[in-house]
Amino acid sequence: QVQLQESGPGLVKPSQTLSLTCTVSGASIRSGGHYWTWIRQFPEKGLEWIGYLYYSGRNFYNPSLESRPSISVDTSKNQFSLTLSSVTAADTAVYYCARSKTGAGIFDFWGQGALVTVSS
Amino acid sequence: DIQMTQSPSTLSAYVGDRVNITCRASQSITTHLAWYQQKLGKAPKLLIFSASYLENGVPSRISGSGSGTEFTLTISSLQPDDFATYYCQQYDSFAWTFGQGTRVEIK
Repeated sequence: QVQLQESGPGLVKPSQTLSLTCTVSGASIRSGGHYWTWIRQFPEKGLEWIGYLYYSGRNFYNPSLESRPSISVDTSKNQFSLTLSSVTAADTAVYYCARSKTGAGIFDFWGQGALVTVSS
Repeated sequence: DIQMTQSPSTLSAYVGDRVNITCRASQSITTHLAWYQQKLGKAPKLLIFSASYLENGVPSRISGSGSGTEFTLTISSLQPDDFATYYCQQYDSFAWTFGQGTRVEIK
């Protein structure tokens, strides 16, 4: 069974960089053609796709976030990480990591979510 | 971005009722649509993909239909476990986007 678990600080100051890590078990990030993805859910419950890591190819990010997000991988730990720069209060959300089915943006496994609050 | 609009925003129903949730896309997404169920404090759970394909382990009282710009999620006989919020999501083109959600409440 594939499992994902987010970790990272729950509080970030405005203008700083948010950093979260997703630890994957039951599957290898290096194989299978999946998109390893970050999604966030705002307090008013809207969901926003942030971007994905595709080990066999390029990453892709939501253009609405401009150049603020970056997703990287640590294959030795089977983890992938999100950084989001220049955060504001509008970035306060629950952040989920998720795995897609092979080659499609269909999210079949999710982490339990990590609440990140942006506040001074 | 493709805008996804769900209706209704909230639905009140009895156990045993048949319920339909509609999702409309701002442009054609063929059948590149998924449905998710979310319960309070939990991550979304995949129910349907490719508009009408049931994910493994999802009960057969749940079904999906549609193509192009209009889609429907149907629960044929609402059970206590089905009271939750439902989201549609398109994966036809970037950026992948979600509907705003439909909350299904007990009447």
